[in-house]
Amino acid sequence: QLVLTQSPSASASLGASVKLTCTLSSGHSSYAIAWHQQQPEKGPRYLMKLNSDGSHIKGDGIPDRFSGSSSGAERYLTISSLQSEDEADYYCQTWGTGTVVFGGGTKLTVL
Amino acid sequence: EVQLVESGGGLVQPGGSLRLSCAASGFTFSSYAMNWVRQAPGKGLEWVSAISGSGGSTYYADSVKGWFTISRDNSKNTVYLQMNSLRAEDTAVYYCAKPGMELGGYFDYWGQGTLVTVSS
Repeated sequence: QLVLTQSPSASASLGASVKLTCTLSSGHSSYAIAWHQQQPEKGPRYLMKLNSDGSHIKGDGIPDRFSGSSSGAERYLTISSLQSEDEADYYCQTWGTGTVVFGGGTKLTVL
Repeated sequence: EVQLVESGGGLVQPGGSLRLSCAASGFTFSSYAMNWVRQAPGKGLEWVSAISGSGGSTYYADSVKGWFTISRDNSKNTVYLQMNSLRAEDTAVYYCAKPGMELGGYFDYWGQGTLVTVSS
C-alpha cells in the first residue's frame, strides 16, 4: 500500500534552516513526490516535484531558499534562511495508478 | 496564467446533495486530468477524485466511491463534483487541483477552495 509518512511538527529559529522529511512506504522508494505549502487560512501552494534522484521542478516564484533532496525512500524539503511567512503546514504528495496519496503534513513553527 | 475557481459550496442537511464546479483557464483544459481534494476542519489533505482529460476515465477515493461523481465539460473548461447522500464527515473545504503532467501526477496549481458544511 502506497503511504507517505511525515512528522507532525517541526520548529526552527528565524534565519536558520530546517529539513522536513517525507518517507515512502516499503516497495515504493523509486516514487517521485511533490511538496506543498499551506499557510494559515490559505489554500495549498505547490512548491516542487522531487524525483528519487534528487532532481526537482519548482513551482513559479518559489524562492531559492526552498530545495529538495532524496535518499532511498526518504524525500526531503530544506528551507534555509527561515522567514516568518514560512510558518505553515507542509504536505508531501505522491501518486499511483488511479490514486493520489498525501502525507499527514508537518506543521512548521518559526521561533 | 493558470486559474482554478471553485464554486457551489454551502450548507446542506445530512442526506442532501450538492454540486461543486471548478472553472479553469490559462491552459489547454481538455489535455489534462483534473482532481478534487478536500480538507476537513483542522485536518490534512485528502484526495477525493480524478477524471481524465477526455472524461472517459474516473477515479475515486474509497471514502466517496458510490456517493460522489466527477464529470467535466471541456467546452466550458469546467470540472464538476456531484455529491450525494452527504454526511457530517463530508464537511470540508473542497479544492480543485491541476496536475503538472497531462495524465495526472503531482499538482502544480490549486484553486482557492469552496466550503461544504453538512449539518442539520
